Amino acid sequence: SQQGEEDPQALSIQEGENATMNCSYKTSINNLQWYRQNSGRGLVHLILIRSNEREKHSGRLRVTLDTSKKSSSLLITASRAADTASYFCATGGGSSNTGKLIFGQGTTLQVKP
Amino acid sequence: IAGITQAPTSQILAAGRRMTLRCTQDMRHNAMYWYRQDLGLGLRLIHYSNTAGTTGKGEVPDGYSVSRANTDDFPLTLASAVPSQTSVYFCASSASLRRGHGYTFGSGTRLTVV
Repeated sequence: SQQGEEDPQALSIQEGENATMNCSYKTSINNLQWYRQNSGRGLVHLILIRSNEREKHSGRLRVTLDTSKKSSSLLITASRAADTASYFCATGGGSSNTGKLIFGQGTTLQVKP
Repeated sequence: IAGITQAPTSQILAAGRRMTLRCTQDMRHNAMYWYRQDLGLGLRLIHYSNTAGTTGKGEVPDGYSVSRANTDDFPLTLASAVPSQTSVYFCASSASLRRGHGYTFGSGTRLTVV
C-alpha cells in the first residue's frame, strides 16, 4: 500500500520559475526523503528530513515537513531544463523495525527551456 | 566508482522460466532492497535484507525469492516467471535499515515476461 501521495501528478513550468511538489502520508514516520528519477534511470537521493526537523535546504532545494498535517513539500528554485524528471517522496517508519522506505507514485516535472 | 551494479540491463523471458536478477554493491552497506516499478503503481518493495544472512518480505513478495550470502550481493530469483512480473526492477542499498539513511539505487533491470 502506498504511504505517500504526491501532488500534483504532473507539473510543467518555464525555466527560471520555481517548482513546488507536495507529499502527504498517513502514518507516523521517522524520516521523509525525496528522490529524483530521470527517464529510464534509477532513483537518486536528494534530501532526507527527520521527523523532528521542520525545514532543510540543499542547494536549490528546500524541503519542509509538517508532522501535524502529515505533509511535506519540495521546492526547487530557479528551475533548469535539467531538472526535468520524476520526483518521489518516500517515508521511513516510526519504529526501529520498520526503516524500509515506502514510496509515493511521484510527480513528473517538465521544465521548458 | 562506488555504487550498485545490476545485471542484466534488460531481458525478455518466456513464461515459466527461472531467472535470477543480479545486484552487487561496493559501499559495504548493511541493508539492501529490491523494488519493482510499474506505471501508475510507483515503486513497491519486494524483499529486503537488514544485514548479510537475513532477509525479509516486503509488500509484494509472492513469486520472488532472495538470498544474502554476503554483504555485497543480493540476487532476486523468479522461480517460474509469469507475465504479471513484467516490470522494471531496482536494487537499492542503505548504510542501515533501522536508522534513516538515503538509499542508493542501481540503474534497473527491465524484464518482459512473454
